[in-house]
Parts: sequence; structure tokens; C-alpha cells
Amino acid sequence: SQQGEEDPQALSIQEGENATMNCSYKTSINNLQWYRQNSGRGLVHLILIRSNEREKHSGRLRVTLDTSKKSSSLLITASRAADTASYFCATDVRNTDKLIFGTGTRLQVFP
Amino acid sequence: NAGVMQNPRHLVRRRGQEARLRCSPMKGHSHVYWYRQLPEEGLKFMVYLQKENIIDESGMPKERFSAEFPKEGPSILRIQQVVRGDSAAYFCASSQTLTNQPQHFGDGTRLSIL
Repeated sequence: SQQGEEDPQALSIQEGENATMNCSYKTSINNLQWYRQNSGRGLVHLILIRSNEREKHSGRLRVTLDTSKKSSSLLITASRAADTASYFCATDVRNTDKLIFGTGTRLQVFP
Repeated sequence: NAGVMQNPRHLVRRRGQEARLRCSPMKGHSHVYWYRQLPEEGLKFMVYLQKENIIDESGMPKERFSAEFPKEGPSILRIQQVVRGDSAAYFCASSQTLTNQPQHFGDGTRLSIL
């Protein structure tokens, strides 16, 4: 079964709008990370939030983490066409060193 | 600073041949991870290595797949006697030794089996 599952699977918005993506996971974690993947490319690390943190900001990105609900959200404010990509959450499972990825949210931002 | 380097970017093999995928981690990184991605899916963990040691290979198929990270040179993911189902994008990531550090990914090798 999936450790991480993103919701929605796909999201289409206009430039300037905000995009919110959610991620749920199942086990205890050290941290949760969000990555972006442009078509045909590798993953680019966006932000890491530790299990004892509740919110983190980086530029136009805002990530929240609720360990009681085992969920996280990624908010991209004032979206741009260049934000078009797939976004994945990944959990660094406690007592292991591997990342467990969700299935991703495909974001399309129209100019 | 060079990022994680993977080669080749694209690899085509016929069924039954061997595929060798290479990964050079970022400078200063001693942990290497291999992941596989099928179209429209997320990445699936395969193996985690440190220099000369396999730490976790719980995601590796039991047969035909092997990985190494020698003292000198890149990490190698080797797939013997490839089958059509091995067609996928294979990504390598590296990280520093400290915990709570992000993994940095290469651009992947896209393996196609004819």
C-alpha cells in the first residue's frame, strides 16, 4: 500500500491563483519532504519539514505538517506557468534511511 | 558544485541483455539511493548504499538486480537478463551523513527494453 498519497491527482489553475496539494502517510516519520519534477527530468528538492515542526515557508511555498493526522499540505502562492510540474511528497520513515514517495499531484498553471 | 550525475540518460537494450546504470553522487555525499519510476507513478525505493556497503536493499527484486558503490568510482545499478517490465526511469539520489538532510536527485536513466 502507498505510504504517501497526494490529493488531488491533478490540478489546473490560472496564473496568479494559489495551488494547494495534500499528502497523507501511514507510519511514524523523521521528516517529510516535497519535491518537484518537470517532465522528463529528475526531482528537485523544495522543502523539508521535520516531525517536530508544524509549518515552514520558502519563498512562495508554505508547507504544513500535522503528525496527529499524518498529513501535510503544500501551498504555492501566486502561481506561475513555470510552476507547471508534478509535485511529490516523500516521507523519511523513522529508523530507516529511505524515502517513501506518494503518487504525485500534476499541476498545470495556465498563463 | 556538480549535482548528482547519472549516465547514460537513455539506454536501450534487447531482452536478455545486461543494463548498467551509473551514478556519481554530489561532492561530499557518502550515501547513495536508487529509485525506479514507472510512467505516471511516484518513485519506488530500491536500494541504499554507503561506500562499499549495502545498507538497505529491501526494494530490490531478488533476482537479476544488483547494486554496488565501490571505494573509488560511481555507484552502479546492474540489471542482468533484462525483460520488458524493466523499462522505467531509474533515479539516483545522494545525501550527506547527517539525518534530516534532503536527498538530491540526478536526472535519471530512462531504460527501454525492446
